[in-house]
Amino acid sequence: DAGVIQSPRHEVTEMGQEVTLRCKPISGHDYLFWYRQTMMRGLELLIYFNNNVPIDDSGMPEDRFSAKMPNASFSTLKIQPSEPRDSAVYFCASTTEVGVSALGGYTFGSGTRLTVV
Amino acid sequence: GENVEQHPSTLSVQEGDSAVIKCTYSDSASNYFPWYKQELGKRPQLIIDIRSNVGEKKDQRIAVTLNKTAKHFSLHITETQPEDSAVYFCAASFPLSGGYNKLIFGAGTRLAVHP
Repeated sequence: DAGVIQSPRHEVTEMGQEVTLRCKPISGHDYLFWYRQTMMRGLELLIYFNNNVPIDDSGMPEDRFSAKMPNASFSTLKIQPSEPRDSAVYFCASTTEVGVSALGGYTFGSGTRLTVV
Repeated sequence: GENVEQHPSTLSVQEGDSAVIKCTYSDSASNYFPWYKQELGKRPQLIIDIRSNVGEKKDQRIAVTLNKTAKHFSLHITETQPEDSAVYFCAASFPLSGGYNKLIFGAGTRLAVHP
C-alpha cells in the first residue's frame, strides 16, 4: 500500500486566493482526519470523517475553511480566501476500527506545507 | 475541556542514557493513548500505543506506562541512540457523541541524543 497520499507537497499562494489540499486515504480505512501543524499551536484536529460523513468539524477555524469527502478514496480541504495566518503544514491521516469503538493507530500522509504571502 | 499536557518540551541526553516523556490528560473517559515520532520535515509516525485496560506495554527499547487513576502516561526510551533524536507527541482519545472518539495531541517533546 502506498500509504496516505497528499498533494501538493508544497503550496505558495497569495493572500486572498483559494487553496485546495487533497488526500487519498489508505484503501479500506474508513476514518479520515485533517490536522494542521504550526509551531505555536502544535497538531490541531480540524475535521474528521467516518464513511465519508463529517463527524466532528469543531476544529475548523473559520467559515473560510471547508472539507469534503465525496467518496471513500478522496478528500479535499479548501481555504477561501486564504490569509497569511493559514500558513502551516496540513496533514491528512486515516485509520480503521480494530475493535468495538476502538480505532487503530493513525497513518499520516506526508503533509502539505502551505505558505500564504 | 479536552486537554493533553506534555513535559518536558525539550530533552537532551547522552547516547546510551534513558529518556522519559510524561503526559497528562483531562478526561477520565479517555481510553487510547498513542505516541508518535516526527523527524524533521517528515510525517508523524506511530511508535507505540496503549489502551486503558493495560498498565504497561513494551516494544524493544520503548515502553509506555499508564496510570488511569492519576490520568497520566509516560514514554520510556532506554539505551538511546542518535537516531532517536526527533519530536515525540503523545495523544489521548476523547469521546464524542455517537460512540466516536477523537485524538488530541500534546505539544510535543524535542529529544536530542548526543553521541
